[in-house]
Formats: sequence, structure tokens, C-alpha cells
Amino acid sequence: DQQVKQNSPSLSVQEGRISILNCDYTNSMFDYFLWYKKYPAEGPTFLISISSIKDKNEDGRFTVFLNKSAKHLSLHIVPSQPGDSAVYFCAASRGGGSNYKLTFGKGTLLTVNP
Amino acid sequence: DAGVTQSPTHLIKTRGQQVTLRCSPKSGHDTVSWYQQALGQGPQFIFQYYEEEERQRGNFPDRFSGHQFPNYSSELNVNALLLGDSALYLCASSLWGTPLNTEAFFGQGTRLTVV
Repeated sequence: DQQVKQNSPSLSVQEGRISILNCDYTNSMFDYFLWYKKYPAEGPTFLISISSIKDKNEDGRFTVFLNKSAKHLSLHIVPSQPGDSAVYFCAASRGGGSNYKLTFGKGTLLTVNP
Repeated sequence: DAGVTQSPTHLIKTRGQQVTLRCSPKSGHDTVSWYQQALGQGPQFIFQYYEEEERQRGNFPDRFSGHQFPNYSSELNVNALLLGDSALYLCASSLWGTPLNTEAFFGQGTRLTVV
């Protein structure tokens, strides 16, 4: 039973346009959400997070939106750059401290074309 | 400042054998978590160590065991290897009890192939 779902295995966008990556979750106990980016042969690197008490968090070109009633979150990248090409993982936890385990989705491969 | 380091980077083992993977956390971190990422899947939580004790465990059989040393480094041991254990094993380090918005730092992983 997958509690965090990323239903799009891949996404392709043009440089300069917006990339929107989606994530759904089923466990209503999750209250902290994170996005990680992973390049081949490297470990995941943290990108941005959001607590369930917020509906939006912004950091430069990256914005995460949370819709708790729909159990849905999305990551917007504007403008997209070729260096953003990577696998993006959505993750969730119960509690936001680092001592709580992360539950990951399967990931979405983003390709940004020059 | 060294980040999270894992060794070895690649490993090939035969079914039934035992394997030990190693992780050194980022400087200043005291908590280590291990994840298994099978091909085409997201990382799955195996267990977490703090103060040399297993604090949380995911849905993995007892063949998976671990250890944390006084210097906070950690080992993941897998006994009686199965073909299905082939995966990328990721170590993540963090600081226990830190407030919200503190994120785990991942190593580059160990690619285990069981033949």
C-alpha cells in the first residue's frame, strides 16, 4: 500500500517554462512534506519542505503548494533550467523533526530541454 | 566539512551470502537512518539509529540488522541475501531532536547486486 504517490513517472518541459510536479498522499497523519532531487550516481538532496500548517512555501524558483483537503501537494519550478533535469521525490513524515522516518513516492523524472 | 560518506560504492554478492555496508554521518550529526531504493522505486525506510540503539524500524525482515558506533558511524548488515535485496542502499544522517525544517542529508549510496 503506497502512502505517497507520484503518478507521473516522467515530465518534459522547455527551458524557461514552468515545471509542475504532483504528489498525492493517503495517510492523514502525515504533517510534514519534503521534496528531494536526485541526480544519477548521487544521493537525494533536499530541495524544499512544507508543514501542514501552511499551504505554500517558496524558495527562489521553487514553490511547494499543499492542499490538505485533497491530500495533494505540488512543486512548481519557475523558470525551469536544464540543470533542473533530475528525478524528483516527494516524501512525507509524521512530525517534522529529523528523527521521524520519511515515506517516499516513486519519483518523477524531469527533463528540461534547452 | 565532509558530508555523509558510504562505503563501498558498489558490491556484488552471491545469494545466501552476508553483506556489511558502512556509513559515516555528516559532521555534527548523531542520527543515522538507512533506506533501500529498488529499481524504479522510491527509497524505503529500513531503520534508524541514535545513541547506538535502533529507534525506529520499517517493514523489513530480521535479516536486516544494524549497528551504530560511539563515533556515530553505522553499519547495515544483511544476512542470507536474496536476489530481491539488489538495490541502492542509502544512508541519511541528521541531528536528533532538532526542530521542524531540519532535513536529513543523504550519502551517495551503495549499489548492491545479488547474483
